[in-house]
Amino acid sequence: GAGVSQSPSNKVTEKGKDVELRCDPISGHTALYWYRQSLGQGLEFLIYFQGNSAPDKSGLPSDRFSAERTGGSVSTLTIQRTQQEDSAVYLCASSLYTAGSQETQYFGPGTRLLVL
Amino acid sequence: GIQVEQSPPDLILQEGANSTLRCNFSDSVNNLQWFHQNPWGQLINLFYIPSGTKQNGRLSATTVATERYSLLYISSSQTTDSGVYFCAVTSGSRLTFGEGTQLTVNP
Repeated sequence: GAGVSQSPSNKVTEKGKDVELRCDPISGHTALYWYRQSLGQGLEFLIYFQGNSAPDKSGLPSDRFSAERTGGSVSTLTIQRTQQEDSAVYLCASSLYTAGSQETQYFGPGTRLLVL
Repeated sequence: GIQVEQSPPDLILQEGANSTLRCNFSDSVNNLQWFHQNPWGQLINLFYIPSGTKQNGRLSATTVATERYSLLYISSSQTTDSGVYFCAVTSGSRLTFGEGTQLTVNP
């Protein structure tokens, strides 16, 4: 596609429910990243995928958070038993990763999650 | 981990004015990016600039990697330049963001 897309754009859920957030990276980009932007914490890294594997998941805040990527393309971020502090904008980015160098990361529009 | 500091935190300009935003980082980095976050929350890439100087229209950026800082210049500012400007650096795979500079350009 032309850019990184994310769905849903907005999600309102009740505390304790599970949510799934989806990211479609730019076609051909092998690296995919999830970030979170919240009022108190700014923009923070969650997890990084290279292909379908996640060599760096150190940013996931708790074991309620998980993510997977299939076919080297679409990724899903799942939050189980949501808490109010999970309310934030969840941003996905992708880059054309070349071993030994770094590439520009391109961001999607984000999913705004509100946990009531 | 690496620290990224941006200054000033807030900046108010009259349309047509010039400005300089600064980004300091605490360690060697592979990469540095500048973003503009528009009022709808979209992060728009401005520059990928691990070192040197780049220009794109009214915007330009300079990174001095050996001294661990980068500058973003905005000339002849317009109201559409309003928003938050983020500097982000990569060390390894992840981007670490500064707190941003909130720019308001008044007509």
